Amino acid sequence: QQPVQSPQAVILREGEDAVINCSSSKALYSVHWYRQKHGEAPVFLMILLKGGEQKGHEKISASFNEKKQQSSLYLTASQLSYSGTYFCGTEHNDYKLSFGAGTTVTVRA
Amino acid sequence: GAVVSQHPSRVICKSGTSVKIECRSLDFQATTMFWYRQFPKQSLMLMATSNEGSKATYEQGVEKDKFLINHASLTLSTLTVTSAHPEDSSFYICSAREGQGFFTEAFFGQGTRLTVV
Repeated sequence: QQPVQSPQAVILREGEDAVINCSSSKALYSVHWYRQKHGEAPVFLMILLKGGEQKGHEKISASFNEKKQQSSLYLTASQLSYSGTYFCGTEHNDYKLSFGAGTTVTVRA
Repeated sequence: GAVVSQHPSRVICKSGTSVKIECRSLDFQATTMFWYRQFPKQSLMLMATSNEGSKATYEQGVEKDKFLINHASLTLSTLTVTSAHPEDSSFYICSAREGQGFFTEAFFGQGTRLTVV
């Protein structure tokens, strides 16, 4: 079952922050975050394995609330290179990754 | 990081013909690979899970006879779109994960843009 992502799109100026949320109606084993540029394959950002875990990749970080079955991705001091579509992928007890609808991030100078 | 290679990156074919897409894990063994389909500005929709040495498992609504999957070795899975029609035009992406357990990242191929005319 696909996770629900919000917002669908966000426009930022360089240096601004944004939060992308991902929630699931089923218990989660892990949450993955990927970024996809237009016409390219998704690129792995990070994986969160247990509740309370937080990770970072450059100035992008994420948290995982296992009880609420939610994860959030934080874009801090955004750069032009952060533009793209961000997908959360959720893993349940079947080893498959299901992806949310994606959040399109546009960072402008 | 690990590399997954997908070929071809683009293909144009006529209606009624079949197209084969290859997905290779270059520096690790992948017992399981996954095939996704992506429509413009939409999410990755899982089509099927490819299992080395056994039959693929398909998601609900995906036609097994239409999308043939073969996973003949630990480094190669193929997706064949049979009797292709214009509505099969899409971006197809494969992914593979290291190991056999959970909690590992998925590596994606470059994707294949299929256009059926």
